Amino acid sequence: DTAVSQTPKYLVTQMGNDKSIKCEQNLGHDTMYWYKQDSKKFLKIMFSYNNKELIINETVPNRFSPKSPDKAHLNLHINSLELGDSAVYFCASSQGAIIEIDSEAFFGQGTRLTVV
Amino acid sequence: DQQVKQNSPSLSVQEGRISILNCDYTNSMFDYFLWYKKYPAEGPTFLISISSIKDKNEDGRFTVFLNKSAKHLSLHIVPSQPGDSAVYFCAASGPGFGNEKLTFGTGTRLTIIP
Repeated sequence: DTAVSQTPKYLVTQMGNDKSIKCEQNLGHDTMYWYKQDSKKFLKIMFSYNNKELIINETVPNRFSPKSPDKAHLNLHINSLELGDSAVYFCASSQGAIIEIDSEAFFGQGTRLTVV
Repeated sequence: DQQVKQNSPSLSVQEGRISILNCDYTNSMFDYFLWYKKYPAEGPTFLISISSIKDKNEDGRFTVFLNKSAKHLSLHIVPSQPGDSAVYFCAASGPGFGNEKLTFGTGTRLTIIP
C-alpha cells in the first residue's frame, strides 16, 4: 500500500497549458511538501503545508499554486506552463508541526513533467 | 510497499570515527543509487552516487558501497565531523540511464558527538 502517491507519474503538455499534479499520503502525517529536482539532482523545496496551512512558500513563480483540500492531500497546480518548468516534482510527507523535514520522511516517486 | 528502506532512523557517532549509514532495496530493476544529505530547514543536497556496474565509489571522506546480491548499499563517512550531523536519504532509480525518477528511503538522522 503506497504511503505517498503522486499522479500522474509522467506528464507531457504544451506551453501555455494549465496542469495539476496530485499528491496523497495515507500515513496520517501532518506536514506535506512539494520539491522540484533540478539538473544537478538538488531537491529544492517549493511549498510546505502543515494541517492544511501553508508554512513554507519559497520564491517560486505565482503560476505555481498549492492546494490542500485536507491534510492527506497536497496538489500542485501550475498555470501557463513554460519550457523551464520541465523537471521532476516530488511530493513528501512527515509527522509533526515542523518547518521542514527533520525526521522520518516519505517521498512520492516523482512526476516527470515535460513542457513542449 | 517501501522499496527503499533505511531501517535506522537515527545514529550517533563520535567525532573522528567512522559513520556507516545503511540502505536496503527490494526492486532488482534499480540500477543507480544516490545519497542525499539534508540540514534542518534546507532541501536535501546531492552527496554521492553509484551505478550498479560498480561496487564502490569514493569522494573524499565519503564512500558508497553497493552489494547487488544483497540489495544493500551503505555510506561510509571517515572521519566523521560535526558538520556531518544531518539527515541522510538513500534513493534509487532505474532501470536505464536517464530515468530520473527516484525512490527515496525515509532517512537516517546522523548526530556526530564532539
